[in-house]
Amino acid sequence: QVQLQQSGAELAKPGSSVKISCKASGYTFTSYYISWIKQTTGQGLEYIGYINTGSGGTNYNEKFKGKATLTVDKSSSTAFMQLSSLTPDDSAVYYCAREGELGAGFDYWGQGVMVTVSS
Amino acid sequence: DIQMTQSPPVLSASVGDRVTLSCKASQNINKNLDWYQQKHGEAPKLLIYYTNNLQTGIPSRFSGSGSGTDYTLTISSLQPEDVATYYCYQYNSGWTFGGGTKLELK
Repeated sequence: QVQLQQSGAELAKPGSSVKISCKASGYTFTSYYISWIKQTTGQGLEYIGYINTGSGGTNYNEKFKGKATLTVDKSSSTAFMQLSSLTPDDSAVYYCAREGELGAGFDYWGQGVMVTVSS
Repeated sequence: DIQMTQSPPVLSASVGDRVTLSCKASQNINKNLDWYQQKHGEAPKLLIYYTNNLQTGIPSRFSGSGSGTDYTLTISSLQPEDVATYYCYQYNSGWTFGGGTKLELK
């Protein structure tokens, strides 16, 4: 069965970086894009960007350019998102999600990773 | 940027009711809209993609419709397990989620 398993919660200091992972299983990893979504109580759901897991090509929401960097490791079927220059506004739950075929929605989601930025 | 406005923010309904949730885009999004359900403490779940296509495994009481700037998610007969927050999401130009409608039982 398709699964996206994300890494554990992160506690980070302002100005630092974190890298969270999303390990896929149960399907051909390189056949589907992976997207990343941020969720906060105040701002709701925000789309960060996606990565073409086959080519490594990326596309970012303008708001997250310079904040998020998406990469993949095809050998381990894992997608990564690095968040840099962290501020308290980056505290959120971050989800990875698989994009269904032909743009048919985000059909599978990871369990989410809580990132807390605090000194 | 396209703004997505969902209404109402909170909806109370009884089991068996027909429930309609609305999502309005700030410009034409050409039916490029999905609906997601999020229960407390869980990841969102895809219900409907491209306006009116029911995701595999989703009960047929859920349906979607709309065009242009106005879209609707309908639950034909509300069940207790439908208590959740529902989000619309457009991907026609950029990517934007609506603010959500919290569905409660009356």
